[in-house]
Amino acid sequence: QSALTQPASVSGSPGQSITISCTGTSSDVGGYDFVSWYQQHPGKAPKLMIHNVSNRPSGVSNRFSGSKSGDTASLTISGLQAEDEADYYCSSFASRDTLVFGGGTRVTVL
Amino acid sequence: EVHLLESGGGLEQPGGSLRLSCAASGFTFSSYAMGWVRQAPGKGLDWVSSIYTSDTNTYYADSVRGRFTISRDNSKNTLYLQMDSLRAEDTAVYYCAKASGLIDPFDHWGQGTLVTVSS
Repeated sequence: QSALTQPASVSGSPGQSITISCTGTSSDVGGYDFVSWYQQHPGKAPKLMIHNVSNRPSGVSNRFSGSKSGDTASLTISGLQAEDEADYYCSSFASRDTLVFGGGTRVTVL
Repeated sequence: EVHLLESGGGLEQPGGSLRLSCAASGFTFSSYAMGWVRQAPGKGLDWVSSIYTSDTNTYYADSVRGRFTISRDNSKNTLYLQMDSLRAEDTAVYYCAKASGLIDPFDHWGQGTLVTVSS
């Protein structure tokens, strides 16, 4: 159960778009359409932003979108806002009925 | 409104045991899978275990399989995590979370309970 690979940090200016990648293998990201993305502000519990690769839960801004190609999933935040500054984690269902998280990406709004 | 409240965390010595509880409200507890996710200080999220609607379907990370046991009491709307043979690397905030699928995704989370394993 190796962690999925995410960039340590991504930054952007207000209004810009940024994309966070999440790379796994054919045993997790590439093998299932069960990738999720979570947002976590300091000292707070995580919040589900995207599930099943590209589905947004009710109440999540449509500025957040997800996609997948092969073994890599991506989260795009468009129209970046100050409130988007947080840590973001991807997760994927994996073989042997397990779940694996990415190492996390710190998003900074410049 | 969904509410998840963890309890049972604290300081324990290596090799010891702790039992975490998670009291759920605001949804039909027996109809949803539940899980535990932990976060070591300053580190990322780490899936620990999930349980489907009954105790017959349980899932574990390799790092805790054989040491931790997840269970649920649907009559009490409560999720449990029995942690035995604790190690220093189990030190973390443990979050209880409600799943909308078999193992995940986790659409609601508790605020977490801190477990510290140290002599």
